[in-house]
Amino acid sequence: EAGVTQSPTHLIKTRGQQATLRCSPISGHTSVYWYQQALGLGLQFLLWYDEGEERNRGNFPPRFSGRQFPNYSSELNVNALELEDSALYLCASSLLGGAYEQYFGPGTRLTVT
Amino acid sequence: AQSVTQLGSHVSVSEGALVLLRCNYSSSVPPYLFWYVQYPNQGLQLLLKYTSAATLVKGINDFEAEFKKSETSFHLTKPSAHMSDAAEYFCAVIEDGGATNKLIFGTGTLLAVQP
Repeated sequence: EAGVTQSPTHLIKTRGQQATLRCSPISGHTSVYWYQQALGLGLQFLLWYDEGEERNRGNFPPRFSGRQFPNYSSELNVNALELEDSALYLCASSLLGGAYEQYFGPGTRLTVT
Repeated sequence: AQSVTQLGSHVSVSEGALVLLRCNYSSSVPPYLFWYVQYPNQGLQLLLKYTSAATLVKGINDFEAEFKKSETSFHLTKPSAHMSDAAEYFCAVIEDGGATNKLIFGTGTLLAVQP
């Protein structure tokens, strides 16, 4: 069974640009989560999508947004990139709700210069 | 708000020795607790999960964790360390009993295994 996949592996952007990160969940999983792992800040929850709807959002500015497609894959968009957005962005998937375990992808390393 | 505290940002053990990684949680409701491992330049791999079914939880690669409500602890152990266990380990709790599905992570413990 294929795990969670993310693309691209690495992404280099300039301050002020937009970044788009993509995630495909494990087959059968309807929930997708995004986390940010920044140096010195640890792992922080960004967003939770299920059945195409945003279910929960972490303490991040509105320039962090995303969506979930009918096939349950997801996209994270970061607008007006700032240097401190440089981080590993991890996507996870799970069965619907109820604190089911979340399975993580390998991450996308975003570098903002 | 729920939180987890991992005691010891760095732990070093000898190959074959017992591994003990400490995690204490703060929760006003029965928590869902998890241990994840992260190898260099990789994502997180789930080791085990506690959901109140049993206080002793067995995970992959001979890891296990014991939920102790009286001590608000969920420490991770492995009887005999292998070189391949060298990685960073994260304890996490689900907030609000699953209503938000937001994983709250500890700051991580970097495990080094000496030959």
